[in-house]
Amino acid sequence: NAGVTQTPKFRVLKTGQSMTLLCAQDMNHEYMYWYRQDPGMGLRLIHYSVGEGTTAKGEVPDGYNVSRLKKQNFLLGLESAAPSQTSVYFCASSKAGTSGGAPEQFFGPGTRLTVL
Amino acid sequence: GQNIDQPTEMTATEGAIVQINCTYQTSGFNGLFWYQQHAGEAPTFLSYNVLDGLEEKGRFSSFLSRSKGYSYLLLKELQMKDSASYLCAVRPPQGGKLIFGQGTELSVKP
Repeated sequence: NAGVTQTPKFRVLKTGQSMTLLCAQDMNHEYMYWYRQDPGMGLRLIHYSVGEGTTAKGEVPDGYNVSRLKKQNFLLGLESAAPSQTSVYFCASSKAGTSGGAPEQFFGPGTRLTVL
Repeated sequence: GQNIDQPTEMTATEGAIVQINCTYQTSGFNGLFWYQQHAGEAPTFLSYNVLDGLEEKGRFSSFLSRSKGYSYLLLKELQMKDSASYLCAVRPPQGGKLIFGQGTELSVKP
């Protein structure tokens, strides 16, 4: 099992450009999440999904959009990138809370994005 | 509101014991997690507490007091590889999402 994978691993964008980050999980998890991590700020939730076809806003959703067309994939889009979106982006997945056991989140390796 | 506090940095000696504290004030509570994150890597799960008390897992233990909004992670027999950031996270009642603290950067010295 690959667990949670993210593509790309690194990307440099110019202000105003758009891009999509792809997250895939092979653990049949119902829930998926997108976080950003900045120095001194910890992990902050951007958007999340509790099932195929559903998404919800997290703490810092502005400037981002997401889609979950398939259970195993969760896409994060930046329509018009800004320097403030320079960050490390982590995707995570977990079982639904009612599935039993510790509902820990499993994280992907991260995407390091720089916006010039 | 949501607020999770951890010390920013800690230093300890190889072979010693260190306790990393976490206090929280959140709207609802459905469990507390500890994650370890080495520099440049993804967070990895260490422990989960949903009831009061101590959970032990090898060299690592985690304690929770829900009435005090307090948890700690205890690391015994410290090794150099334990140098990492330790993240405390609280799970609100719905949706499975986590609210993370800023993390505690632990440096283990020889």
